[in-house]
Amino acid sequence: GQQLNQSPQSMFIQEGEDVSMNCTSSSIFNTWLWYKQDPGEGPVLLIALYKAGELTSNGRLTAQFGITRKDSFLNISASIPSDVGIYFCAGRGTSYDKVIFGPGTSLSVIP
Amino acid sequence: NAGVTQTPKFRILKIGQSMTLQCTQDMNHNYMYWYRQDPGMGLKLIYYSVGAGITDKGEVPNGYNVSRSTTEDFPLRLELAAPSQTSVYFCASSYAGEAKNIQYFGAGTRLSVL
Repeated sequence: GQQLNQSPQSMFIQEGEDVSMNCTSSSIFNTWLWYKQDPGEGPVLLIALYKAGELTSNGRLTAQFGITRKDSFLNISASIPSDVGIYFCAGRGTSYDKVIFGPGTSLSVIP
Repeated sequence: NAGVTQTPKFRILKIGQSMTLQCTQDMNHNYMYWYRQDPGMGLKLIYYSVGAGITDKGEVPNGYNVSRSTTEDFPLRLELAAPSQTSVYFCASSYAGEAKNIQYFGAGTRLSVL
């Protein structure tokens, strides 16, 4: 079946550093989604991407839909302590397909 | 602004007990989903529903049952709890039929089976 891989699995960074993480798939997707899960909470959507090559920002977060449609990238600039959490990528074919979630990247920010 | 509401937030069960995890949404979404999240793992789909009266199995349905009698509610039933069902359970909903079809998640139910 379809699988998503996320790297890195976990990150420990200093406050103020930039962060990059990526997500790769064995299949082509038409939609890429990035969610963040705070400790003890459910995932919350950060950014949604709908076209190959699309680059979308949400505050300090920027995500890109890879041109091969098999990958996506998330960057966080000038990290702050509240960026701590697990970041999930997710992909979907058509709008009626089930969403496939990656295993997550755990981010820790050292003040 | 309730969104997706899950109850209870925490529960401890003994092996063999049964329970129902409740999920309700007030966004008039047609699709609803149940996921489980094990430590260090992503979200695995248990069951989903595309509308009232229609349910289908996801990736890990064994040991669970669902029903969807109304658009708003999508309860998940554990009949004979097993330690392997210790997990965090998330309910989500979305509106399929629009291009975006974004899933919105509840806060989760943390279940321990001892």
